[in-house]
Amino acid sequence: DAGVTQSPTHLIKTRGQQVTLRCSPKSGHDTVSWYQQALGQGPQFIFQYYEEEERQRGNFPDRFSGHQFPNYSSELNVNALLLGDSALYLCASSFRQGVSEQYFGPGTRLTVT
Amino acid sequence: AQSVTQPDIHITVSEGASLELRCNYSYGATPYLFWYVQSPGQGLQLLLKYFSGDTLVQGIKGFEAEFKRSQSSFNLRKPSVHWSDAAEYFCAVGPLSNDYKLSFGAGTTVTVRA
Repeated sequence: DAGVTQSPTHLIKTRGQQVTLRCSPKSGHDTVSWYQQALGQGPQFIFQYYEEEERQRGNFPDRFSGHQFPNYSSELNVNALLLGDSALYLCASSFRQGVSEQYFGPGTRLTVT
Repeated sequence: AQSVTQPDIHITVSEGASLELRCNYSYGATPYLFWYVQSPGQGLQLLLKYFSGDTLVQGIKGFEAEFKRSQSSFNLRKPSVHWSDAAEYFCAVGPLSNDYKLSFGAGTTVTVRA
């Protein structure tokens, strides 16, 4: 049973560029949440996708956007990258959006120079 | 709004000794509580969860946690630490019925000395 997978593992971008991160949920899960984890901090919620719609959003600017596909996989897009966007981006999947545990992928380490 | 506090930033423990990590939460309803572990450069692995019922929950890797509503705490314990337990530990609360995010504490780094 494959767990949550993310790609790429590492990414280096320049300020002002755009980036797309990808996530495939655990088998049987239909909900994907994205979190940003800055160095030395706990993960911060970016948004959650369920039934191909953004259902909830954290305190992140519109430069952060996402998408969920019919197979439940998801993308996180970040435009106009800033140095402060450097972080580990974690994808978590769960079942039916609500009360259930979230399983995390290994993350994508984004470095903005 | 829900929030989580982990008072200890860093804990050093000897191999074979017991470990207790503290977690306090602020929540407007019956909380769902989680402990995750993160090894360097890795994602988060779920150790255990509390949804309801027995306030002492058992998890993987020999960890357990106790929910105390009167103290708004959910402390994580392990009777005998192994060197492989060196990692960062995060307590999290959520989700609510209409607020689906997990809110995490800042984490506690555990160092195990031989």
